[in-house]
Amino acid sequence: SQKIEQNSEALNIQEGKTATLTCNYTNYSPAYLQWYRQDPGRGPVFLLLIRENEKEKRKERLKVTFDTTLKQSLFHVTASQPADSATYLCALDDGYSTLTFGKGTMLLVSP
Amino acid sequence: GAGVSQTPSNKVTEKGKYVELRCDPISGHTALYWYRQSLGQGPEFLIYFQGTGAADDSGLPNDRFFAVRPEGSVSTLKIQRTERGDSAVYLCASSSGSGGASNEQFFGPGTRLTVL
Repeated sequence: SQKIEQNSEALNIQEGKTATLTCNYTNYSPAYLQWYRQDPGRGPVFLLLIRENEKEKRKERLKVTFDTTLKQSLFHVTASQPADSATYLCALDDGYSTLTFGKGTMLLVSP
Repeated sequence: GAGVSQTPSNKVTEKGKYVELRCDPISGHTALYWYRQSLGQGPEFLIYFQGTGAADDSGLPNDRFFAVRPEGSVSTLKIQRTERGDSAVYLCASSSGSGGASNEQFFGPGTRLTVL
């Protein structure tokens, strides 16, 4: 089964800076990789999906990269705002039809 | 409906009791997923339905857990003889098309289950 590693320590940054979160996986390279945002007491909300043949994907202030050689995805939040504070989850396909989620990394953006 | 809904939002039960958790997916979504999330962890896959049938139930931890989706819309997760270790937030998600990892999943708010 796939093993996913996300930094368990919270990432603290100042408003306006770029936050970079890391997702590493250890087994086979997935065909798809997804990023979700989760606020306390709520279900995850889909942000971006990137395919194995895509190097980079952007959506507004968000950017995701996918390096199958390094077995790593980076998630960037540019011009960060306090409202971006949340836990961000990385999820990979398991080779069948379901997703395996990482533990998530908490992002804290201070004004 | 506008989104995925789950009832109840909170459920407190005693060890050994039976519980049912309900999920109403987004109308028209054929794929439905159940996950379990413990504090500080990501969602853990339990079972995936495509229409009325369970396409993948490999995540169910043991035979105390069972889920149904008789008409291809609403789903119920059933837990028999609950144990304290079953305490967690149970999340439901739905997606359109054939489901799978190529589609985004829409999550409900979850049901927080506490087993005393």
